[in-house]
Amino acid sequence: GAGVSQSPRYKVAKRGQDVALRCDPISGHVSLFWYQQALGQGPEFLTYFQNEAQLDKSGLPSDRFFAERPEGSVSTLKIQRTQQEDSAVYLCASSLGVTNQETQYFGPGTRLLVL
Amino acid sequence: GENVEQHPSTLSVQEGDSAVIKCTYSDSASNYFPWYKQELGKRPQLIIDIRSNVGEKKDQRIAVTLNKTAKHFSLHITETQPEDSAVYFCAASNRDDKIIFGKGTRLHILP
Repeated sequence: GAGVSQSPRYKVAKRGQDVALRCDPISGHVSLFWYQQALGQGPEFLTYFQNEAQLDKSGLPSDRFFAERPEGSVSTLKIQRTQQEDSAVYLCASSLGVTNQETQYFGPGTRLLVL
Repeated sequence: GENVEQHPSTLSVQEGDSAVIKCTYSDSASNYFPWYKQELGKRPQLIIDIRSNVGEKKDQRIAVTLNKTAKHFSLHITETQPEDSAVYFCAASNRDDKIIFGKGTRLHILP
């Protein structure tokens, strides 16, 4: 079956530009996670959705970062007024159940480069 | 909050030898410990996980051990093969909190 997909795969933005990153989770998966992965580092948690409810956004670095999942399926991570330090790979993951202790299936990531 | 330390950051082993990657965690409430493998340019994939009610779990050439008293857990890969070359991430979580990942170990399998 289809896995988690993300688009775009690559995004180059000028500093100050707004960007929107899309995640299509596995169909039927209740939980959706966003992570930021800097070069040579592990994924760092950004935010978590259970269906359409955003239950944890403690990892969002600033109020320039906003995520939504309005219908409990597709999710969008938006970054406003991008800065160079936002350059990273943004990973989306989904899991079937409601806990954070199930297998998370990752998407291929969106590599964001802010110039 | 939880803090996960992973070492070594880079590991080279001869093909056929064993590789061991170690992680420590800080939150005694953590009870779920997954390991993910990320090949170059690819997405992370779960290879094995362990919960705090067991001390060891094995799946073919891969095993994970957990010492809750010492708050550390380890990944063991035996009879390493070229396709084991990748970055491996450990992680920890408790039921009510986010998963925290280590910084990763880059494993090189030498021919």
